[in-house]
Amino acid sequence: DAKTTQPPSMDCAEGRAANLPCNHSTISGNEYVYWYRQIHSQGPQYIIHGLKNNETNEMASLIITEDRKSSTLILPHATLRDTAVYYCIVSSTNDYKLSFGAGTTVTVRA
Amino acid sequence: NAGVTQTPKFRVLKTGQSMTLLCAQDMNHEYMYWYRQDPGMGLRLIHYSVGEGTTAKGEVPDGYNVSRLKKQNFLLGLESAAPSQTSVYFCASSATSGRPDTQYFGPGTRLTVL
Repeated sequence: DAKTTQPPSMDCAEGRAANLPCNHSTISGNEYVYWYRQIHSQGPQYIIHGLKNNETNEMASLIITEDRKSSTLILPHATLRDTAVYYCIVSSTNDYKLSFGAGTTVTVRA
Repeated sequence: NAGVTQTPKFRVLKTGQSMTLLCAQDMNHEYMYWYRQDPGMGLRLIHYSVGEGTTAKGEVPDGYNVSRLKKQNFLLGLESAAPSQTSVYFCASSATSGRPDTQYFGPGTRLTVL
């Protein structure tokens, strides 16, 4: 019972913005949207999270729609080192585990 | 800070052998987790701990045991390894008792069971 839906793969040109979509149409009021990424053979790395409002940090921006049924992770200036699998995860305040789906494989090309 | 470290990095076992994977964190985190990742798949939670001396089952606990005798360490044991346990094992930790929090992951242990 996947809580999120992501495209399996996408390409991005180096230096351009990468926009990664995620659908979470069954999200409930106390569930946050998290994004993690996993560079080949490494452990996952936290990127950003949000509840209702858009969020920005040094790595990325997170845009959440008003109805909270979908979100977009934006990598403003993609580099080759951003090539990774990106996971969109919905997790409630009572849920200890992170449920990783298949994610989106992002390939940044020179 | 070293963050989250895992020992060993690689291991090959024969079916029926036992082993223990060690996870250590130096961030004084309360929560610790063990995940496994099979090829082409996302991570699945095996066991987790919400504090020293406590453990709980995750999604795929069968065939594994865990212990959290010290706050900084979380041990994952395989009593009788099976080929189905060939996987990459990731440990993670997180700080807060409230949500949301951030999980910090170790580099992984690659285990092959022949």
